[in-house]
Amino acid sequence: DTGVSQNPRHKITKRGQNVTFRCDPISEHNRLYWYRQTLGQGPEFLTYFQNEAQLEKSRLLSDRFSAERPKGSFSTLEIQRTEQGDSAMYLCASSLDPQAGYTFGSGTRLTVV
Amino acid sequence: RKEVEQDPGPFNVPEGATVAFNCTYSNSASQSFFWYRQDCRKEPKLLMSVYSSGNEDGRFTAQLNRASQYISLLIRDSKLSDSATYLCVVSFYNQGGKLIFGQGTELSVKP
Repeated sequence: DTGVSQNPRHKITKRGQNVTFRCDPISEHNRLYWYRQTLGQGPEFLTYFQNEAQLEKSRLLSDRFSAERPKGSFSTLEIQRTEQGDSAMYLCASSLDPQAGYTFGSGTRLTVV
Repeated sequence: RKEVEQDPGPFNVPEGATVAFNCTYSNSASQSFFWYRQDCRKEPKLLMSVYSSGNEDGRFTAQLNRASQYISLLIRDSKLSDSATYLCVVSFYNQGGKLIFGQGTELSVKP
């Protein structure tokens, strides 16, 4: 297991297009988190899953955003009708025990033009 | 008011200097505390957890004051390789363990 894997690493899309990102967590980690980070800011929580259940969604996650983790393994984050303000780094993290810390993936950098 | 606030940066220090980062958090229900390090255009990586009794890892010392809702990180004998952004993080176990990050403080160590 090589850690948390995110694909693609970079995505450039035109405004109004839909994009989907994938995250493969560490295999034994039952918790999976999505964060968004813009330049000069710390990551902001978007949503998290415990196994396949989505247990919390931030109000940052507008109805254009949807996340799934269908079999409790990998997760996808979809953004519909992208806007320039969606340009950011999207980070996925997984954890077995939150008190012990998290492992982050390398992120997907989205640029909306 | 942000939930986690850090010293504004950047900090520019010479090699060998001691540098301290401060952080305050607003939610007294916060349960776990961490410092993460983030290199430019990379993902955050856990530097150390922070315990109430204080803890040390080599040149790094972290302190937590729950009464003041204050967290600190001290780096002694700073190295060029310490240059990065340092993120103060709190977590709420009863909220699924989600992490709340500060905005980060950038450190630049110069020769």
